[in-house]
Amino acid sequence: DAGVIQSPRHEVTEMGQEVTLRCKPISGHNSLFWYRQTMMRGLELLIYFNNNVPIDDSGMPEDRFSAKMPNASFSTLKIQPSEPRDSAVYFCASSAQPNTGELFFGEGSRLTVL
Amino acid sequence: QKEVEQNSGPLSVPEGAIASLNCTYSDRGSQSFFWYRQYSGKSPELIMFIYSNGDKEDGRFTAQLNKASQYVSLLIRDSQPSDSATYLCAAKANSGYALNFGKGTSLLVTP
Repeated sequence: DAGVIQSPRHEVTEMGQEVTLRCKPISGHNSLFWYRQTMMRGLELLIYFNNNVPIDDSGMPEDRFSAKMPNASFSTLKIQPSEPRDSAVYFCASSAQPNTGELFFGEGSRLTVL
Repeated sequence: QKEVEQNSGPLSVPEGAIASLNCTYSDRGSQSFFWYRQYSGKSPELIMFIYSNGDKEDGRFTAQLNKASQYVSLLIRDSQPSDSATYLCAAKANSGYALNFGKGTSLLVTP
């Protein structure tokens, strides 16, 4: 079975540009999470969806960030406009039983904003 | 702010020794606890979870939980160089699905 698939793996962009990160969860998993990881702040939850519905977006830093899950097999995280402080590794994770705390992470998208 | 605190390390142990990784949490509503391992440049993967006070053993790994002290630990017996990684502690409340992660402890097992 394929794991969680994220794209792009690496993105370098200039400040002010729009960035779109994509995620395909494991088939059959009904919960999807977006995390951001930096050295300073560690792994932070941005938003999570259950059955394609956003449940908690309290971790989304500000209005520049938005996330969608139009169907069970696809989610996007968009940053517009991007800023240097957004540079981080963005992980998508999915779970079949989120109550268990078992998350399956994708390989991550490393974003660098110049 | 619900905090999960870990010593960043690095924790260096010789091959074959016991590695002890510790974690404290501030939210008394946290009911379940997880240890994820993250190799450099890779994504986190779940290695242990624990819900009840006491010890839980899985192979070379033992998770320990003390809810009164708000303390979680992970023991790795017979440490191997392949155990060298960052270990992330996470806590979850009974309600909701969100995991709150600590910043991780870097473990280095030297041959």
